[in-house]
Amino acid sequence: EAGVTQFPSHSVIEKGQTVTLRCDPISGHDNLYWYRRVMGKEIKFLLHFVKESKQDESGMPNNRFLAERTGGTYSTLKVQPAELEDSGVYFCASSQARAGDYGYTFGSGTRLTVV
Amino acid sequence: LAKTTQPISMDSYEGQEVNITCSHNNIATNDYITWYQQFPSQGPRFIIQGYKTKVTNEVASLFIPADRKSSTLSLPRVSLSDTAVYYCLVEGGGATNKLIFGTGTLLAVQP
Repeated sequence: EAGVTQFPSHSVIEKGQTVTLRCDPISGHDNLYWYRRVMGKEIKFLLHFVKESKQDESGMPNNRFLAERTGGTYSTLKVQPAELEDSGVYFCASSQARAGDYGYTFGSGTRLTVV
Repeated sequence: LAKTTQPISMDSYEGQEVNITCSHNNIATNDYITWYQQFPSQGPRFIIQGYKTKVTNEVASLFIPADRKSSTLSLPRVSLSDTAVYYCLVEGGGATNKLIFGTGTLLAVQP
């Protein structure tokens, strides 16, 4: 089965520009999560989709971040306008709650650098 | 969600058994203990999960004492490719909860 795919793997943008990150979860996984690790910090939760609905967006840092999951398939995370402190690695994960299957599958992440 | 505490780093040599202990004093009754492995430029990868006693799979073993306030990840006969960051997490199970990551343990395996 294909894993969680994230695009792009790297992005370098200037402060004030817009960037859109994409995540393709494992097919059939209803749960999709975004996480972020900024330099020197721990991996932090951003938000959780169940299908196309936002279940928990308590980790979103501010209104410059917009996440969508139209149709309950892939998700996008847009940062507009980007600031220097947004630099970091953005991870996406998906899961499907089933008896005996409790693992989350993470993508390789998108490394975002804002200059 | 319960906070976890684990060593920041550990060193080992190839062929040795490595045990990484994690403390989770405030674990709740319905919480599971899960360990993830992360290589550079990759996302965390699920290794093992347990609730109590001992769990073993093809990669590792997980030992959980009766009070469940700590757990130990055991990696048998490590190789250079086991060099990674290992995260201990406590979560509600069912793969529908957000994960709270700590600092993780950087395991460096030397030849």
